[in-house]
Amino acid sequence: EDQVTQSPEALRLQEGESSSLNCSYTVSGLRGLFWYRQDPGKGPEFLFTLYSAGEEKEKERLKATLTKKESFLHITAPKPEDSATYLCAVQASYGGSQGNLIFGKGTKLSVKP
Amino acid sequence: DGGITQSPKYLFRKEGQNVTLSCEQNLNHDAMYWYRQDPGQGLRLIYYSQIVNDFQKGDIAEGYSVSREKKESFPLTVTSAQKNPTAFYLCASSISTGTGASPLHFGNGTRLTVT
Repeated sequence: EDQVTQSPEALRLQEGESSSLNCSYTVSGLRGLFWYRQDPGKGPEFLFTLYSAGEEKEKERLKATLTKKESFLHITAPKPEDSATYLCAVQASYGGSQGNLIFGKGTKLSVKP
Repeated sequence: DGGITQSPKYLFRKEGQNVTLSCEQNLNHDAMYWYRQDPGQGLRLIYYSQIVNDFQKGDIAEGYSVSREKKESFPLTVTSAQKNPTAFYLCASSISTGTGASPLHFGNGTRLTVT
């Protein structure tokens, strides 16, 4: 069964304390892996797309990496404004539609000043 | 600014009533989607549409209906047949799904409460 598992469920960091969020996936052929940020009461905001193992993408304090089984979202020297829930989603290569997108349950990140 | 507009932000209904959630996009995207988000669960796909006048059921379509009469609009009706309609509903769009991986762009959601 195709699935996406994010860990940890919640992560509390002090400002400046770097860490990583994990997204493990099992899918029959990967078309793409997406990271989103979601603030309370808002819709998810797109961060990155990763297509193949070894690929990396960066944006400010965030860096996403991809292997054949998992993706990491590294947060370097986080600030309180980085507090949010981070969602991972995987798109399978079978089929021809976005109906194959599978979301993880998210990691809720809290950064204390 | 291009984006996706969902309205209303909060919606309250009595059990047994149908309710329609609005979703409009000005991104000129072909594909549109409806997801449901519940605490402790990942986003679950209700319906999606790749082109005007065509739509497909997602994983949890029972008790919901949609229409796609215009490229910009994809309203979702939550019917009285939906057993547990209270949730946060998210509309999204993307460029043509084709064979590439296209990120979804989301609206800011409608929180529906049914009592």
